[in-house]
Amino acid sequence: GENVEQHPSTLSVQEGDSAVIKCTYSDSASNYFPWYKQELGKRPQLIIDIRSNVGEKKDQRIAVTLNKTAKHFSLHITETQPEDSAVYFCAASRSAQGAQKLVFGQGTRLTINP
Amino acid sequence: EAQVTQNPRYLITVTGKKLTVTCSQNMNHEYMSWYRQDPGLGLRQIYYSMNVEVTDKGDVPEGYKVSRKEKRNFPLILESPSPNQTSLYFCASSFRTTQSYEQYFGPGTRLTVT
Repeated sequence: GENVEQHPSTLSVQEGDSAVIKCTYSDSASNYFPWYKQELGKRPQLIIDIRSNVGEKKDQRIAVTLNKTAKHFSLHITETQPEDSAVYFCAASRSAQGAQKLVFGQGTRLTINP
Repeated sequence: EAQVTQNPRYLITVTGKKLTVTCSQNMNHEYMSWYRQDPGLGLRQIYYSMNVEVTDKGDVPEGYKVSRKEKRNFPLILESPSPNQTSLYFCASSFRTTQSYEQYFGPGTRLTVT
């Protein structure tokens, strides 16, 4: 089955700097890759997702890139702000199975230092 | 208000005492899932359901049961809880469509088994 590895497990950056979180997946048939943000004590919420027919997607300060050949995808956050502090999870899924068969990475705790 | 609800939010129980965690969504979603979240392991899927009376195992189904008798409800049953089931549990739901795979998570249930 699918296996998703996420790095780093913790990341600390200065406010205003950029943060990058990377994930690799094992199943070449996976074609849907979402990123979820979980603030302390809250539920995970989708922040951005990408499908395998595109290589990059951007939404304001966040972007996701996908390299299908290498089977890895990354989350990029620019101009980080204190409210970006949270745990971020990547995930992978096959479209035939839809979102109900998501496999998540281990999570990255991002801390933005003022 | 569109939402996923879970009850109870916190539960402390003893080994072997059967319990049920309820999950309900009011968004008419076809798909529903249960995850457990443990430090360093991310979110792992326990069971999922594609529609009423259709359920399937996720990655960590041992020790759990589910049922989907109504579209809006997807209870998680622990017939004989053990300490290794101490965890944070999330229910999630989503549409069955290629337009959006976004999963909407409930607030979580923190379970402690002594």
